[in-house]
Amino acid sequence: EDKVVQSPLSLVVHEGDTVTLNCSYEVTNFRSLLWYKQEKKAPTFLFMLTSSGIEKKSGRLSSILDKKELFSILNITATQTGDSAVYLCAVMNQAGTALIFGKGTTLSVSS
Amino acid sequence: GAGVSQSPRYKVAKRGQDVALRCDPISGHVSLFWYQQALGQGPEFLTYFQNEAQLDKSGLPSDRFFAERPEGSVSTLKIQRTQQEDSAVYLCASSLFLSGASGSYNEQFFGPGTRLTVL
Repeated sequence: EDKVVQSPLSLVVHEGDTVTLNCSYEVTNFRSLLWYKQEKKAPTFLFMLTSSGIEKKSGRLSSILDKKELFSILNITATQTGDSAVYLCAVMNQAGTALIFGKGTTLSVSS
Repeated sequence: GAGVSQSPRYKVAKRGQDVALRCDPISGHVSLFWYQQALGQGPEFLTYFQNEAQLDKSGLPSDRFFAERPEGSVSTLKIQRTQQEDSAVYLCASSLFLSGASGSYNEQFFGPGTRLTVL
């Protein structure tokens, strides 16, 4: 059964800190791994990763995939209170018809 | 420039009641997905439509759950004889192209969800 595991489940940091969120997966036929940010409503897309070792960056956020070890990390540098959210990791299922999500990491950034 | 919309945003139902949740995808989007997100959990896939065809309903938890998209646009998720374990946020997502096709990622745009509470 396809599975996505995120850690930690929750994290509290101070503004300006750097955080690393982890996502490991077991899938029958890997297609892509995606990161979403969810702030009490709809998940919003952050990154899609398909190739190992290629870092994706968007401002203070970056992510990388290791297909050999079956994990991905999401880094956020110089955190701000607006980064407080649930960060979801998802893997596209074998048929490519649905996303399999992890439970998410709840990040709280205090000022 | 409307995104995916869902209604109602909140629904409280008594156990045993039937409910219907509506999803309006982005206009022209071929693919439509329903997910169930319990408190403290990630979204879990329920079902997938390609236009009006329901191609994957493997995630529906029981035969009390039924989804339709008769004209290939608006979709309705119906839950019959609701139970307390059905309490969750129900998310709808749509994407422009067919899912499962090879090539670049076909982004799923999510709606705000319907929070269902069954008493």
